[in-house]
Amino acid sequence: DGGITQSPKYLFRKEGQNVTLSCEQNLNHDAMYWYRQDPGQGLRLIYYSQIVNDFQKGDIAEGYSVSREKKESFPLTVTSAQKNPTAFYLCASSIGSPSYEQYFGPGTRLTVT
Amino acid sequence: QQPVQSPQAVILREGEDAVINCSSSKALYSVHWYRQKHGEAPVFLMILLKGGEQKGHEKISASFNEKKQQSSLYLTASQLSYSGTYFCGTAFQGAQKLVFGQGTRLTINP
Repeated sequence: DGGITQSPKYLFRKEGQNVTLSCEQNLNHDAMYWYRQDPGQGLRLIYYSQIVNDFQKGDIAEGYSVSREKKESFPLTVTSAQKNPTAFYLCASSIGSPSYEQYFGPGTRLTVT
Repeated sequence: QQPVQSPQAVILREGEDAVINCSSSKALYSVHWYRQKHGEAPVFLMILLKGGEQKGHEKISASFNEKKQQSSLYLTASQLSYSGTYFCGTAFQGAQKLVFGQGTRLTINP
């Protein structure tokens, strides 16, 4: 079955450590996205990529980095520069333009103490 | 540029109807609707495109008023499974990304 996977589901880190969240899709989608969701809040875009080896900053990119070396993979690194990293992180993919729906992964809940 | 959703929360009894609105201050190209249950991923419901095209589930209906830059999601004869938080995501002409509203929490009671 085609889909989008994120791992791990829960992640705990100490303050000051970088951490990488995995996102993989086998839907053959060109576009991939990373969102951050805080309790009771909407989805805020961190980074997105329309094609391999290219990505753009979203609305809250500070303290995060990404790579897109393969079409199927779009890992997100939460760096120590991110002041409030504790959140629910969602990865999504789509065929491309906003004319098409986004498919979301199950999410990773990151807790930094 | 974040769209504004209203109401922020609504409580219904099973079988009642609800309307959720999404308004933008700029001209829209597309409006997406998603439903998210607590701790889970958002699930696609519908896309409405400028010009009138719609794509989505048969049991969900929505409208897109291009002049008012507003979309409404209609939930009729609500079921317990409709509970969750509904998000609209909007895109402007030429944009490659969505901007999501803050969400509308829908609670359906028996």
